[in-house]
Amino acid sequence: EAQVTQNPRYLITVTGKKLTVTCSQNMNHEYMSWYRQDPGLGLRQIYYSMNVEVTDKGDVPEGYKVSRKEKRNFPLILESPSPNQTSLYFCASSSRQGVGTEAFFGQGTRLTVV
Amino acid sequence: DQQVKQNSPSLSVQEGRISILNCDYTNSMFDYFLWYKKYPAEGPTFLISISSIKDKNEDGRFTVFLNKSAKHLSLHIVPSQPGDSAVYFCAASARYTDKLIFGTGTRLQVFP
Repeated sequence: EAQVTQNPRYLITVTGKKLTVTCSQNMNHEYMSWYRQDPGLGLRQIYYSMNVEVTDKGDVPEGYKVSRKEKRNFPLILESPSPNQTSLYFCASSSRQGVGTEAFFGQGTRLTVV
Repeated sequence: DQQVKQNSPSLSVQEGRISILNCDYTNSMFDYFLWYKKYPAEGPTFLISISSIKDKNEDGRFTVFLNKSAKHLSLHIVPSQPGDSAVYFCAASARYTDKLIFGTGTRLQVFP
């Protein structure tokens, strides 16, 4: 079954404690991205990757890091989480980005930073 | 700067009636538009899309209309069913960029 898998689904952490949210896709997609969803703001792109070792900033990259060492994995790293990073996070993948391409989303990770 | 706008945060429609969800965009370079549906505790799923060379695309009960001169698109659901109750996001992309820009979403509730 084609899917994007994120872990964990729920996470409560304290300010400053480094964390990683994993994302894996089994569709051999080149393009992967991370979004955060906040009330009234919709889905905003954090980082994206066009292929292995190729990443770039989205609209809200501050406080986040990513890496793309393998095609199937695209972890999101919060080196020093802060309460304003409390949000619902989604990983997505697609065969390419842009015109004519739908993105497949993971089930989401609800992060609370206290 | 919100390039894709969904001005109605919520919509309530009776089962069997038509649901119309609206989306406006500001960037004239956008040439592909998509609608995603999101249930609670799940990720968004692709629903329907339209290229800027068309003004209408239909898939079963779902039809998307595009008015390029007004920079406006709409999603029509006919007839609406309780299972359609979800948050709907419109999204847009342009050939020159690798980004998919999402709107803020509209929560649709279909009641019996």
